[in-house]
Amino acid sequence: AQKITQTQPGMFVQEKEAVTLDCTYDTSDPSYGLFWYKQPSSGEMIFLIYQGSYDQQNATEGRYSLNFQKARKSANLVISASQLGDSAMYFCAMSRDTGNQFYFGTGTSLTVIP
Amino acid sequence: NAGVTQTPKFRILKIGQSMTLQCTQDMNHNYMYWYRQDPGMGLKLIYYSVGAGITDKGEVPNGYNVSRSTTEDFPLRLELAAPSQTSVYFCASSRSWSLVTGANVLTFGAGSRLTVL
Repeated sequence: AQKITQTQPGMFVQEKEAVTLDCTYDTSDPSYGLFWYKQPSSGEMIFLIYQGSYDQQNATEGRYSLNFQKARKSANLVISASQLGDSAMYFCAMSRDTGNQFYFGTGTSLTVIP
Repeated sequence: NAGVTQTPKFRILKIGQSMTLQCTQDMNHNYMYWYRQDPGMGLKLIYYSVGAGITDKGEVPNGYNVSRSTTEDFPLRLELAAPSQTSVYFCASSRSWSLVTGANVLTFGAGSRLTVL
């Protein structure tokens, strides 16, 4: 069975500091994709970053980077130089190589403190 | 540049009523999905479609029906609403299932908050 685990229900970070949001996954598929989405209080789901399991290098998108450790089955999101607008729920998700199933974690609530 | 459009944004239903959540995308995506999000939980897949005329069940399909007559539209029908269907519903679409290009990134609608009393 596929599973995504986010063990941090809530996190706080000082503005301009870096923060790491944890995500571990469980799959027996040889290939898969890993995603992070942001959900602000307004409710929409915003795509942040993607990592394919075959990628040798960690994905980066601006202030977001995905710390992918395949052997440990972890896909942590690192946000550098936190901003007040980063306060939101963050969801880790995984897609299978068949593509028709996405599995979401329960989310981490991030609060950026001025 | 509308992306994925869902209507209505909010709705209150009485137990036993039926309704349809509308979803339209203008990105020519073949793959469309309906998810529900319960408080404190991640998203769970209700139904998905790989193209016009083709739909399949996800993880939590009971109490719902879908149809896909066009590439653009993927409505979700709730029959005989129950309090357990109180949730936020998200429609999403993706260009493909390819892991190589990352084209399987989901684009979400703004969500529809449904309350069944």
